[in-house]
Amino acid sequence: EAQVTQNPRYLITVTGKKLTVTCSQNMNHEYMSWYRQDPGLGLRQIYYSMNVEVTDKGDVPEGYKVSRKEKRNFPLILESPSPNQTSLYFCASSSGMVNNEQFFGPGTRLTVL
Amino acid sequence: AQTVTQSQPEMSVQEAETVTLSCTYDTSESDYYLFWYKQPPSRQMILVIRQEAYKQQNATENRFSVNFQKAAKSFSLKISDSQLGDAAMYFCAYSSYNTDKLIFGTGTRLQVFP
Repeated sequence: EAQVTQNPRYLITVTGKKLTVTCSQNMNHEYMSWYRQDPGLGLRQIYYSMNVEVTDKGDVPEGYKVSRKEKRNFPLILESPSPNQTSLYFCASSSGMVNNEQFFGPGTRLTVL
Repeated sequence: AQTVTQSQPEMSVQEAETVTLSCTYDTSESDYYLFWYKQPPSRQMILVIRQEAYKQQNATENRFSVNFQKAAKSFSLKISDSQLGDAAMYFCAYSSYNTDKLIFGTGTRLQVFP
């Protein structure tokens, strides 16, 4: 089954404790990205990757890091989480072809105390 | 920069009736894509319908259709014969032709009453 998986689905942590949210897709997609969803703001792109070893900032990159060492994986790293990073996070992937359809993961609910 | 505006934070509809969700956008580009995504309580993002800007014909998917007005930069979603399962948050989104980045509106929460 074609899918994007994220782990963990729920995470409660404390300020300053480094964490990683994993994202994996099995569709051989070139393009992957991370979004955060906040009430009243919709979804905003954090980082994206056009291919292996190619990453770039989205609209709200501060406080986040990413890496793309393998085509299928695109982890989101919070080196020193803060309460303003409490949010719902989505990973998405697409083939990069002109149909522009993106496939979303199930979301990760992160709470930073 | 492109922006997407959804001016209706909440809407409600009676089961079996029709409802229209509004979306406007701002862009200087001539080629782009527009989307409606549904987010039910499960939080999963589900693509409802997609419109290519170069196509004049409005997209339809079963009970879902759009009214795409390119000159007015308007992209509304019509849901016909509403069902209880249509209750969700709906997001309008924009994507430039040469990128996969999605720019989302703030969402409209749709309630469906029996």
